Amino acid sequence: DTAVSQTPKYLVTQMGNDKSIKCEQNLGHDTMYWYKQDSKKFLKIMFSYNNKELIINETVPNRFSPKSPDKAHLNLHINSLELGDSAVYFCASSQFINQPQHFGDGTRLSIL
Amino acid sequence: QQPVQSPQAVILREGEDAVINCSSSKALYSVHWYRQKHGEAPVFLMILLKGGEQMRHEKISASFNEKKQQSSLYLTASQLSYSGTYFCGTDYGNNRLAFGKGNQVVVIP
Repeated sequence: DTAVSQTPKYLVTQMGNDKSIKCEQNLGHDTMYWYKQDSKKFLKIMFSYNNKELIINETVPNRFSPKSPDKAHLNLHINSLELGDSAVYFCASSQFINQPQHFGDGTRLSIL
Repeated sequence: QQPVQSPQAVILREGEDAVINCSSSKALYSVHWYRQKHGEAPVFLMILLKGGEQMRHEKISASFNEKKQQSSLYLTASQLSYSGTYFCGTDYGNNRLAFGKGNQVVVIP
């Protein structure tokens, strides 16, 4: 059983488009995260939700909007995609804030 | 503020030992270590807590020196499976982990 699953695994799209990435965890965790890993492999937190409540919103362009319909799901919607958005986006979850995090397999986003 | 990891890359032969470090300029609550293999997701290894003991994952152990604000990861009798990038995540008590840029470890036969 996959603990943290993200879809899609690959996303290739054109500049200016809007896209969404979905994340679901079946671990019963309270906290979920979105990370961006760029080409230099730097892993940077974007958002964190605890029990559907937004607790971290880093300096991310407001074209990125997370949504947590329930504590098992955290989706990421991106408007007006730009070349610099190309990266791998990881979803993760943990029981509580700053407990061991379980990562999804990542979504590889490429902007043409 | 992200921690500084050193060395940036290590190449070692199977069976050799290596130490990689994670340093912070601010006081830490805890340090988390993750390993990421190429094309895969980061995988949790261990957490070092303030005042806590040295931790171990298989033959990989880690320590946390609160005074120096530094954690070290000891790869003992390295195996091919240890290859990957090791990230430390530092907890400053602000509800998030700040990850360093990683230590790339390559173990060759």
